Amino acid sequence: AQSVTQPDIHITVSEGASLELRCNYSYGATPYLFWYVQSPGQGLQLLLKYFSGDTLVQGIKGFEAEFKRSQSSFNLRKPSVHWSDAAEYFCAVDSWGKFQFGAGTQVVVTP
Amino acid sequence: KAGVTQTPRYLIKTRGQQVTLSCSPISGHRSVSWYQQTPGQGLQFLFEYFSETQRNKGNFPGRFSGRQFSNSRSEMNVSTLELGDSALYLCASSLGTGNQETQYFGPGTRLLVL
Repeated sequence: AQSVTQPDIHITVSEGASLELRCNYSYGATPYLFWYVQSPGQGLQLLLKYFSGDTLVQGIKGFEAEFKRSQSSFNLRKPSVHWSDAAEYFCAVDSWGKFQFGAGTQVVVTP
Repeated sequence: KAGVTQTPRYLIKTRGQQVTLSCSPISGHRSVSWYQQTPGQGLQFLFEYFSETQRNKGNFPGRFSGRQFSNSRSEMNVSTLELGDSALYLCASSLGTGNQETQYFGPGTRLLVL
């Protein structure tokens, strides 16, 4: 069965430190992969997406993600975290028009 | 270009009532998808509408239904509300071509069932 796993439910990071959020997928074909961010009480904002081509994808707000087919992963990274990056992050796979989301990773940023 | 809009933003209902939520997609987008978000179950796909037809459906009971109008606006209806229906309901729109689609989300409607 197709699935998306975000192993880390909660991550705490210091402001200015680097951040990496993990996403693993189980999918039969070449996946379309996405990262979204959700601030409290808000909808989801698209950070970046991967369809094909270059496996390192740049997104908004200084985020990037790398698609690794051999590891079935699509990890999200940011070199230097800002306090405004505190939010919940969701990895998603487009499964024939049905988006399947991971459980989310809550990111807390400390001073 | 205006984003996806959802109305109302907040709603309080009692068990047994029904509720209708509305979603207006981004101009030019013909596909509208609905999701339910709860702390316990996370984000779950409800259904997708394209050109006034339901194209995809998740695993929800028949109490959850939807429709789409000719202008691509969509409504979602939940009948005989249960306490467990309390959730954030998110609507997303996309072009609907079915290939390399990106979904853009609205702010959601927060439903509380008492």
